[in-house]
Amino acid sequence: AQSVTQLDSHVSVSEGTPVLLRCNYSSSYSPSLFWYVQHPNKGLQLLLKYTSAATLVKGINGFEAEFKKSETSFHLTKPSAHMSDAAEYFCVVSDYQTGANNLFFGTGTRLTVIP
Amino acid sequence: DAEITQSPRHKITETGRQVTLACHQTWNHNNMFWYRQDLGHGLRLIHYSYGVQDTNKGEVSDGYSVSRSNTEDLPLTLESAASSQTSVYFCASGGGRGGLDEQFFGPGTRLTVL
Repeated sequence: AQSVTQLDSHVSVSEGTPVLLRCNYSSSYSPSLFWYVQHPNKGLQLLLKYTSAATLVKGINGFEAEFKKSETSFHLTKPSAHMSDAAEYFCVVSDYQTGANNLFFGTGTRLTVIP
Repeated sequence: DAEITQSPRHKITETGRQVTLACHQTWNHNNMFWYRQDLGHGLRLIHYSYGVQDTNKGEVSDGYSVSRSNTEDLPLTLESAASSQTSVYFCASGGGRGGLDEQFFGPGTRLTVL
């Protein structure tokens, strides 16, 4: 079965400092992994996705994530936080290897950016 | 531009009433999904559809139903609303190619059951 664990429910950083949001996954197969962002009172937007190509994935707004199979991790990073990055971030795994199209969401990490 | 819309955006209802939440997408996606979002749980799948006349139960389907009569719409019905169904509901479409593709999310419907 597929699942993800987001290791921090809340992360707080100062503007201009690096961001690290941690995610570990569990999958019986080689997974597809995604990071989605949700700004307050908004729907979810895709930040980036990993689908077995390059292990370092670049997304929108300067975010990137590295797939590490040996550590079953897919951590999200950004070199320098901006105030507009304050949002809820979800790590997501797909069970595409079973032929289904469903996503399994982590419980989310709320990012606060301090001016 | 293609989009996915939900209505209403906010709904207050009473226990025992039937409620229907609408979802409409113009992406022409075969796959559509309904999720609920609650604190501490992330998003949980309620029902999903891979095409017209196809519906499937998700992780938390009890008390909900869907029907798919065309490609664009997947309405979610709460047969007899309960306070435990107070939540924010998101509709999504996409996720083709066996889950390799992203899902596109609507803006959400905040439902309160009193």
